[in-house]
Amino acid sequence: DTGVSQNPRHKITKRGQNVTFRCDPISEHNRLYWYRQTLGQGPEFLTYFQNEAQLEKSRLLSDRFSAERPKGSFSTLEIQRTEQGDSAMYLCASNAGQTNTGELFFGEGSRLTVL
Amino acid sequence: AQSVTQLDSQVPVFEEAPVELRCNYSSSVSVYLFWYVQYPNQGLQLLLKYLSGSTLVESINGFEAEFNKSQTSFHLRKPSVHISDTAEYFCAVITSKSGANNLFFGTGTRLTVIP
Repeated sequence: DTGVSQNPRHKITKRGQNVTFRCDPISEHNRLYWYRQTLGQGPEFLTYFQNEAQLEKSRLLSDRFSAERPKGSFSTLEIQRTEQGDSAMYLCASNAGQTNTGELFFGEGSRLTVL
Repeated sequence: AQSVTQLDSQVPVFEEAPVELRCNYSSSVSVYLFWYVQYPNQGLQLLLKYLSGSTLVESINGFEAEFNKSQTSFHLRKPSVHISDTAEYFCAVITSKSGANNLFFGTGTRLTVIP
């Protein structure tokens, strides 16, 4: 399978715990995005990497959130001290090129439930 | 501010009947428009896109959308739906703003095809 891969697919955690999600983009894609999707809403932009550089962050990304893409390949999204409001589907997407043309390849998402 | 409006959150339709999923956007700049589809337990997939040229664009599975600049709409249509079309459909728009945080999704329309 050469698509975007995310794991874990589901994570249930207690409030206050830390969680980490991993995304493996399509191998030749230099651009990687994280989105969040809550019930009844469309995906909302969180952050973006071009190769290993994190170039943009949304205001939705509070200081409890951190994302990395250390070697320009896979990426991790960590949420510290989780809150119930963090419950959502976290989507990773990737594409190639120098600009965002809007044509993204999405993974299946990682669903977080904070109890 | 850029926004995308999908007027219908749920659309039930009988198999082989026609369907239209509505999408309107607000923008005073040139835009690129997209429809993404999310089948049950799968990631979002690009269904079709309008970048320039012909205002009528088609997908490989029989959907079409028409860019109407005067009405700022990009409605999705199919003359005869199949059970397999049951999914959530997201309209999205990208503006000419630079950077990665320039792709905005609507809230989605859940299409349910009834046998």
